[in-house]
Parts: sequence; structure tokens; C-alpha cells
Amino acid sequence: GIQVEQSPPDLILQEGANSTLRCNFSDSVNNLQWFHQNPWGQLINLFYIPSGTKQNGRLSATTVATERYSLLYISSSQTTDSGVYFCAASQGTASKLTFGTGTRLQVTL
Amino acid sequence: NAGVTQTPKFRILKIGQSMTLQCAQDMNHNYMYWYRQDPGMGLKLIYYSVGAGITDKGEVPNGYNVSRSTTEDFPLRLELAAPSQTSVYFCASSGQGLRSSGNTIYFGEGSWLTVV
Repeated sequence: GIQVEQSPPDLILQEGANSTLRCNFSDSVNNLQWFHQNPWGQLINLFYIPSGTKQNGRLSATTVATERYSLLYISSSQTTDSGVYFCAASQGTASKLTFGTGTRLQVTL
Repeated sequence: NAGVTQTPKFRILKIGQSMTLQCAQDMNHNYMYWYRQDPGMGLKLIYYSVGAGITDKGEVPNGYNVSRSTTEDFPLRLELAAPSQTSVYFCASSGQGLRSSGNTIYFGEGSWLTVV
């Protein structure tokens, strides 16, 4: 099956800083999604982005499918951005996602 | 705005007991999933369903069973609970339907299960 690797595993930022999270995947995919898991455990879908670039407010994501990686950009970070960011990918018609182990982000004042 | 609803939210089981985690979605999604998340790890797929009456194994199916008698419901059964099944369980759904489209996956809020 697909292998998904994320880096860095941990990240500490001061409020207002920018960051880039990386996701590498081992094979071609037709489904790639980014999630934020907040400190209460809730999983929120950020982007469905098997290719190309999308932006939503201070967050944006880019997937280069031919080179098998995706990047999540967080600009002007806020304390509410803290939590774990997961990348997940799959092949085929159902979203049988394989998750990476996540990037744990802590934003401090 | 219910989305994906899981019950119970917290449960403590004794070794050897059985229980069912309930999951319901109101978005008319055809795909439903059960994942488990161990501490400090990503999620792993237990079982999934592509529609009513159709289920299939994911990456870690041992010790679990599922059924899908309706589009809305996808319960997960734990038989003979073991300490290794202590985890957080997430139900999810995806598909063309109400308030959603395509492959975006929507998760429930999770069920914290401890086996002692």
C-alpha cells in the first residue's frame, strides 16, 4: 500500500510566524487530503488536493503529484492553529486513506 | 447540522467483554469508514463500506466486525475486547450527497475506548 511520510514531526512557532509542512507519498494517488486535529481530538478537513494549489484564508496547500509530495502553508499563525496536522492519501474510488504520523504544531504567544 | 454522529463518546470495557460503537451520517453518503487512532499516531483503517450491504476490510480488521444495513448507519462491533483495542475510534463518511461532494471525508468526533 501507499506510504505517507510527514515532516517535521514537531514544530513550535511564535504567533505571527509562517510555516511549511511537508507530506511525501510513495506512489501515485488520486486522493490527498490535509486535516487538522485540534487539542480536543476533533478532525477537521482542511483541503482535498490531489493536485494543484488551493487557498483558504491563511492556509494554502500545493500538491505536485508527479513528484509525490504536498505542502501545507500556514501564514500569520495563531494560537488556535495549534494541534496536529495530518496528511492522508489513497488510490481508487473510495477514500480509503492512509495517514501519515502527523506534524504536531504549537503556536506560542 | 449533524454530519457524522458517533456514540458513545467514552467507554471502559473489561477484557473479554463485547460492545458496539454506533455511527450515523445524515449526508446521504455512500462511503463510510471506521478508523482507529493510537496515542501519538495517525489513523488506521479498520473497515469500510461502499454502500448498504457491502463492507470490506481495511488495514487492521482483526477483532472487529461491521454491518451496513442502511445508507445512514455503520456500527462497529468489538468482540472479546483486548487491551490492544484501547484506542480512539473515528467513524467517517464521504461521497456525493447533502452538503458535500466527491472525495472529501468527514469525521465524527471520536469514541474513546479503554479496555482494562
